[in-house]
Amino acid sequence: GQSLEQPSEVTAVEGAIVQINCTYQTSGFYGLSWYQQHDGGAPTFLSYNALDGLEETGRFSSFLSRSDSYGYLLLQELQMKDSASYFCAVKTGANNLFFGTGTRLTVIP
Amino acid sequence: DGGITQSPKYLFRKEGQNVTLSCEQNLNHDAMYWYRQDPGQGLRLIYYSQIVNDFQKGDIAEGYSVSREKKESFPLTVTSAQKNPTAFYLCASTAGQGGYNEQFFGPGTRLTVL
Repeated sequence: GQSLEQPSEVTAVEGAIVQINCTYQTSGFYGLSWYQQHDGGAPTFLSYNALDGLEETGRFSSFLSRSDSYGYLLLQELQMKDSASYFCAVKTGANNLFFGTGTRLTVIP
Repeated sequence: DGGITQSPKYLFRKEGQNVTLSCEQNLNHDAMYWYRQDPGQGLRLIYYSQIVNDFQKGDIAEGYSVSREKKESFPLTVTSAQKNPTAFYLCASTAGQGGYNEQFFGPGTRLTVL
C-alpha cells in the first residue's frame, strides 16, 4: 500500500520558524510536493522537489531525501496568515499525486 | 483571467438522487482531476483524465462517474451508489504529461446529502 505520514497539528509563534515533516512509502516516486490550504479554500501549490536537497522560495523552503523517503517544509518568519493546513503529496505517475492527511498549522501571537 | 471554476459552491441533495458537479478550466490544460476531501483529511483521487475522451479511475471511483468530451470540461456525477457522498469535492488541472508539477485547483463544491 501507499502511505504518507505528517503530524496532524503544529503550533508556532509569530515570527518563529516551523518545520513540517513528511515520510512516505509509495509504489512510485517522481517527486514530493507541498500544498497550502486555508479553511474552506482550495489547495495552492508551494513547492516541488524531485532531487535531494533544499529548495528555497522566499520564506518557504522544502527539503527532500530520497534515500530516507523523507521531506520537510520549512516556514520562516511566520505570519498569522500562514495559519492553514499543509499537505505533502507524492507524484506517483505522469501527473498523479498521492496526498497526505495534512498538518494544521496554527500561528499564535 | 485563467483559472478553474466549479459550480455550484454548495449543493444539497436527497438520498438516492444522482447529482452532477461542474468543472471548467480555461488554462488550456490537458490533464484534469477530481478529488474528494473529508473533514480533517487529505485529498483522495476519484477520477482523472489525461486527454479528451479518456479517463481513468482513481483510488475511490466507486459510486462516481465522469466524462471528458471537451478539453475545458470534466464533470463529475455522484450517483446513488455512492454510500457516503457528503464531502468537499475539488477539481484540479495540470498542463500535461511529464514535467508539469503543479496542480491548479478550483474553489470546490461542498456536497451535503440530506
